[in-house]
Amino acid sequence: GAVVSQHPSWVICKSGTSVKIECRSLDFQATTMFWYRQFPKQSLMLMATSNEGSKATYEQGVEKDKFLINHASLTLSTLTVTSAHPEDSSFYICSARDRWRDRLNQPQHFGDGTRLSIL
Amino acid sequence: QKEVEQNSGPLSVPEGAIASLNCTYSDRGSQSFFWYRQYSGKSPELIMFIYSNGDKEDGRFTAQLNKASQYVSLLIRDSQPSDSATYLCAVNKGGTSYGKLTFGQGTILTVHP
Repeated sequence: GAVVSQHPSWVICKSGTSVKIECRSLDFQATTMFWYRQFPKQSLMLMATSNEGSKATYEQGVEKDKFLINHASLTLSTLTVTSAHPEDSSFYICSARDRWRDRLNQPQHFGDGTRLSIL
Repeated sequence: QKEVEQNSGPLSVPEGAIASLNCTYSDRGSQSFFWYRQYSGKSPELIMFIYSNGDKEDGRFTAQLNKASQYVSLLIRDSQPSDSATYLCAVNKGGTSYGKLTFGQGTILTVHP
C-alpha cells in the first residue's frame, strides 16, 4: 500500500524548455503533497507544499513563477519547471500523505523521483 | 545551527557489526522523527519513525528518541552490505509546519564484507 508514482523518471531537454513532472498517489488520497529537490551529494530540500484545490505554499527562496504547482485532484499533483536552465538540473522528488491517516506521526510516501538534466 | 544535524560520516562498519547513526534537532517543539534510507540515484524509503521518548524496535533496526536532549538515533544490528546507503534523519516540527519534514544532511554508511 501507499504507493506514489512519479513520471517521468528522467528528462533531458534543451535550455528554455518547460518540463512537467507528475506525482500520483495510486492507492490512497492525498490532500497534501510535497515537492523536494536534491542536488548531488546534498540532502532533500523542500520546495513547496501542494494543497488539493488551493494554492501551493512555497518555501523561502523558491520562485513560484518558475516552479508552477497544480494539485487539481486528490491523487495528482504536477510540478512544471518553466523555461528551465542548466542550474535547474537536479533530482526532483514528490511525496504524499494519506488524507485519512493525516496525523503528525504518519510518514510521507515518496515517489521514485525525476532526474532532470537541462542542456 | 542547522535545524537537523547528523554525524558527518562516512561511517564504515564490518558485516555483522552494529551501525549507530545519530541525529540532533534544534526545535524543542518537534514532534515526530523519521529515518529514511536512500540508495544512490534513488528516492528515500522509510525505515521507521518514532514520536515517544525511548526505544522502538523493528527487526534489525532500533530507533531511540530523547526529547530532553533533542537527540534521535538509529541502530542497525547485524549490518549487511545491502545496508550500505545514505541514511536521512527527518523531523516533523508540527505547529504551523504541520506535515512538513526537515531533513538532515545524511550519513553515508558502508558495510564491508
